[in-house]
Amino acid sequence: AQTVTQSQPEMSVQEAETVTLSCTYDTSENNYYLFWYKQPPSRQMILVIRQEAYKQQNATENRFSVNFQKAAKSFSLKISDSQLGDTAMYFCAFMKHDGSGNTGKLIFGQGTTLQVKP
Amino acid sequence: DTEVTQTPKHLVMGMTNKKSLKCEQHMGHRAMYWYKQKAKKPPELMFVYSYEKLSINESVPSRFSPECPNSSLLNLHLHALQPEDSALYLCASSQEWGVRGFHEQYFGPGTRLTVT
Repeated sequence: AQTVTQSQPEMSVQEAETVTLSCTYDTSENNYYLFWYKQPPSRQMILVIRQEAYKQQNATENRFSVNFQKAAKSFSLKISDSQLGDTAMYFCAFMKHDGSGNTGKLIFGQGTTLQVKP
Repeated sequence: DTEVTQTPKHLVMGMTNKKSLKCEQHMGHRAMYWYKQKAKKPPELMFVYSYEKLSINESVPSRFSPECPNSSLLNLHLHALQPEDSALYLCASSQEWGVRGFHEQYFGPGTRLTVT
């Protein structure tokens, strides 16, 4: 079975600063995806960034980037130039796939609540 | 249009009531999902529908009854719920479920359910 662990229940950062959210996971699968989802207060959950396990290059999406360490089973999210709109709960998530295109369900970590302070 | 809509936004019901939650998407997605989310916890998968057929039931109690009348619509019928069923119920949809690679799940805003 796969597990996803986020060890920081709450974090805060000053506007315009950089913050890193941690995530570790445990799996015996070789093929999988990792994700960070953002859930703002009273708003829809959205996908922030995705990493495919076979890709060594870390994914980036504008101010969001990841540090993917496959051997260490670590997948942290860095938010640069933090904005007030980044205030949200962030979930790290795992999805296995079998290499033939068949995927499994999303497995979420417990979440990190990020507060961006003006 | 990447929108998944859910109605109602809020629902309060007694333990003997029967109510339904509704979810709609017009993105042509063939997979739809129900999740349950308690406060400050991650979403928990309840059901997955693929091409209007139930693909996954995560051992959900029978007081929750899903229905997929067509490819755009997903309902969750509620009956004889318990106070511990109070939660945010999220609907999501994706192009496909489980096959032909990764398909992003788009989430709705949720229905906040309170069982009294």
